[in-house]
Amino acid sequence: DAGVTQSPTHLIKTRGQQVTLRCSPKSGHDTVSWYQQALGQGPQFIFQYYEEEERQRGNFPDRFSGHQFPNYSSELNVNALLLGDSALYLCASSLRSSEIYEQYFGPGTRLTVT
Amino acid sequence: AQSVAQPEDQVNVAEGNPLTVKCTYSVSGNPYLFWYVQYPNRGLQFLLKYITGDNLVKGSYGFEAEFNKSQTSFHLKKPSALVSDSALYFCAVRDRNYGQNFVFGPGTRLSVLP
Repeated sequence: DAGVTQSPTHLIKTRGQQVTLRCSPKSGHDTVSWYQQALGQGPQFIFQYYEEEERQRGNFPDRFSGHQFPNYSSELNVNALLLGDSALYLCASSLRSSEIYEQYFGPGTRLTVT
Repeated sequence: AQSVAQPEDQVNVAEGNPLTVKCTYSVSGNPYLFWYVQYPNRGLQFLLKYITGDNLVKGSYGFEAEFNKSQTSFHLKKPSALVSDSALYFCAVRDRNYGQNFVFGPGTRLSVLP
């Protein structure tokens, strides 16, 4: 049973560029959430996708956008990168119908903006 | 609004001694509570959760946590620490009555000394 996978593992970008991160959820899961974890901090919720729509959003600017595909995989896009966007980006998957809504996390993508 | 506090940035304990990592939370409704562990350059791994029922929850790798509603706390414990338990620990809360996202604490770094 494959867990949550993310690609790429590491990424280096320049200020002003755009980046796309990818996530495949755990088998059987239909909901994907994205988190940003800055160095030395806890994960911060960016947004959540279910049925190919953004269902909930944290306190992040519109430069952060996403997409969910029919196979439940998801992308996180960040435009006009800032130095402050450097962080570990975590994807978590879950099953919407589960009352408990336990989230399973991927290994993350380390983004460095120079 | 939901929030999680982990009052200790760092906890040091000798191998074989009991350990406690503290967590307090604030939610408007009834909480779901979680503990996750993060090893260097890795994503978050689930340890345990509190949903309802018994206030003492047992999880992976010998960890347990005690839910205290009156003190709004969910402290992580282990009777006998191992050097391999050294990692970053995150407490997270989800308000059953508000949204689907998790709110994470800032993390506590646990160092178990041989």
